[in-house]
Amino acid sequence: KQEVTQIPAALSVPEGENLVLNCSFTDSAIYNLQWFRQDPGKGLTSLLLIQSSQREQTSGRLNASLDKSSGRSTLYIAASQPGDSATYLCAVPSGGSNYKLTFGKGTLLTVNP
Amino acid sequence: NAGVTQTPKFRVLKTGQSMTLLCAQDMNHEYMYWYRQDPGMGLRLIHYSVGEGTTAKGEVPDGYNVSRLKKQNFLLGLESAAPSQTSVYFCASSYPLYRGDTDTQYFGPGTRLTVL
Repeated sequence: KQEVTQIPAALSVPEGENLVLNCSFTDSAIYNLQWFRQDPGKGLTSLLLIQSSQREQTSGRLNASLDKSSGRSTLYIAASQPGDSATYLCAVPSGGSNYKLTFGKGTLLTVNP
Repeated sequence: NAGVTQTPKFRVLKTGQSMTLLCAQDMNHEYMYWYRQDPGMGLRLIHYSVGEGTTAKGEVPDGYNVSRLKKQNFLLGLESAAPSQTSVYFCASSYPLYRGDTDTQYFGPGTRLTVL
């Protein structure tokens, strides 16, 4: 059974700092990996999707990397801003599918002005 | 486009009552999903559908039923609500991989359900 772990569970940083969020998964036979953002009381918004053949994806100040062989992904946020404060979740397809997602429990990020 | 919408946004039920949560998407997605989110447990897949008229069980299907009579709608039913079903419920939708489109899942805003 696929298990997804995110470390740390919570992170508090001053504005402007670069930071890294970690995600690990137990079954490396994945089609892709997604990073989502969830604001309090809201739904999830997809940030980045990395296909299994890719090593990384970038969107603005966000960069996600994927190392399938070691079962790890990182989300790098450059020059953090208070508006980046949210819970960040990673998810991988499981059960041999490319669409049934297993989620990590998330990292709660607080960026202090 | 409205994206994925969910009705209602909040609901309080008594144990044993029934209700239906409605999810609608206007992106012509083939696949739709129901998740529940609980503190300390993360998001877990309840049921999903890969097309109109089809449904399948996810990780935590017990106590729930679903129907996909129309491509744009996915209904989640609780026949006899229990306090353990107190949770936030999210619906999502996506294209299938064979379409060649991104397989990103798009989420609705959630329904907060309390069962007393």
